[in-house]
Amino acid sequence: DADVTQTPRNRITKTGKRIMLECSQTKGHDRMYWYRQDPGLGLRLIYYSFDVKDINKGEISDGYSVSRQAQAKFSLSLESAIPNQTALYFCATSDFTQGGETQYFGPGTRLLVL
Amino acid sequence: GDSVTQMEGPVTLSEEAFLTINCTYTATGYPSLFWYVQYPGEGLQLLLKATKADDKGSNKGFEATYRKETTSFHLEKGSVQVSDSAVYFCALNTGFQKLVFGTGTRLLVSP
Repeated sequence: DADVTQTPRNRITKTGKRIMLECSQTKGHDRMYWYRQDPGLGLRLIYYSFDVKDINKGEISDGYSVSRQAQAKFSLSLESAIPNQTALYFCATSDFTQGGETQYFGPGTRLLVL
Repeated sequence: GDSVTQMEGPVTLSEEAFLTINCTYTATGYPSLFWYVQYPGEGLQLLLKATKADDKGSNKGFEATYRKETTSFHLEKGSVQVSDSAVYFCALNTGFQKLVFGTGTRLLVSP
């Protein structure tokens, strides 16, 4: 089984809908991250969490919210989806003892907002 | 702010050709440098890393040397295979436990 899983893998939604992307990990890591990937822009950080009680905004947090339900679970929500949120979304984890240097990525969720 | 610049792709090579993908960075302090690879339909995987100047990271025949004087971390492989076709991302970490990624370079290797 994969160490970092994301559900759903693909999602099509309409403008204005609320959706949630979920991430689970079995690596036992404290740190979790959400990124979005757009063609020609690389990966950009949306939110990150260093433990269950710690949530931080990344460089592009507007229009998104997150919830860290447990050490192993980190969800990303789009409260009111818009077409420019169409992208590939990745969850990642890292181990504090490694200083966050090595991040482990999930397989991604491809989101299309119509 | 911190940033990473990669050469634009796609890079198209024949099998067994020599590969270089250029990466330069701008950062305050002394970052750690990384190459990640993304195979079709998958998430990113760490390929190699270097944590200080003159370090050489290597894995699966790929190498990159941390050059502080030129602020570069170019990825090289002596003989590419079709299975190396993927998108390669250069990234840095300045110690705040967040990665800054380049835009990615797609490599296409033909038989």
